[in-house]
Amino acid sequence: AQSVTQLGSHVSVSEGALVLLRCNYSSSVPPYLFWYVQYPNQGLQLLLKYTSAATLVKGINGFEAEFKKSETSFHLTKPSAHMSDAAEYFCAVSDGGAQKLVFGQGTRLTINP
Amino acid sequence: NAGVTQTPKFQVLKTGQSMTLQCAQDMNHNSMYWYRQDPGMGLRLIYYSASEGTTDKGEVPNGYNVSRLNKREFSLRLESAAPSQTSVYFCASRAGESEWRELFFGEGSRLTVL
Repeated sequence: AQSVTQLGSHVSVSEGALVLLRCNYSSSVPPYLFWYVQYPNQGLQLLLKYTSAATLVKGINGFEAEFKKSETSFHLTKPSAHMSDAAEYFCAVSDGGAQKLVFGQGTRLTINP
Repeated sequence: NAGVTQTPKFQVLKTGQSMTLQCAQDMNHNSMYWYRQDPGMGLRLIYYSASEGTTDKGEVPNGYNVSRLNKREFSLRLESAAPSQTSVYFCASRAGESEWRELFFGEGSRLTVL
């Protein structure tokens, strides 16, 4: 079965600094990978997804992620953090089939002024 | 366009009480899902409905039942609530079963069982 590991349940960066949120997955076949963001008291919304078209995926709000098969990673980055980026971020992998979207445990991103 | 709407947003129950969480989507999506979110555990799938008239168990179905009332609505019922069911519940929908399609989420229903 697929699994997702997000390294670091809480990441804190200064405004303007690089954001790096780590995600590693286990998969025996090329997966579909997703990053979702959850702002306080809201549902999750899609940031970006990897569907094998390109290894570097650009998403909303200046975020991007790179699929590295050799490292089984799909880390999320943003060059310059903004206060509005404070949220919880979830990495997810599709395990095959409609029901099997497996989520990581989430990383809470805090932005310091 | 409201997207996915969940009611109620907050609920407090006593152990043994029953309740139903309602979910409706206006995007004409075929597939609908119920997840629960607990601290440090991400989202876990409770039940899903790939299409109108079908429902299937997810990762954590015990203590829950669901009804796909029509294409728009998918309800989650707790017959006899337990403290372990204290959680935030999210309904989601997707246009089809294809793995690459994104999920659209409601804003969540926060349930506390005393």
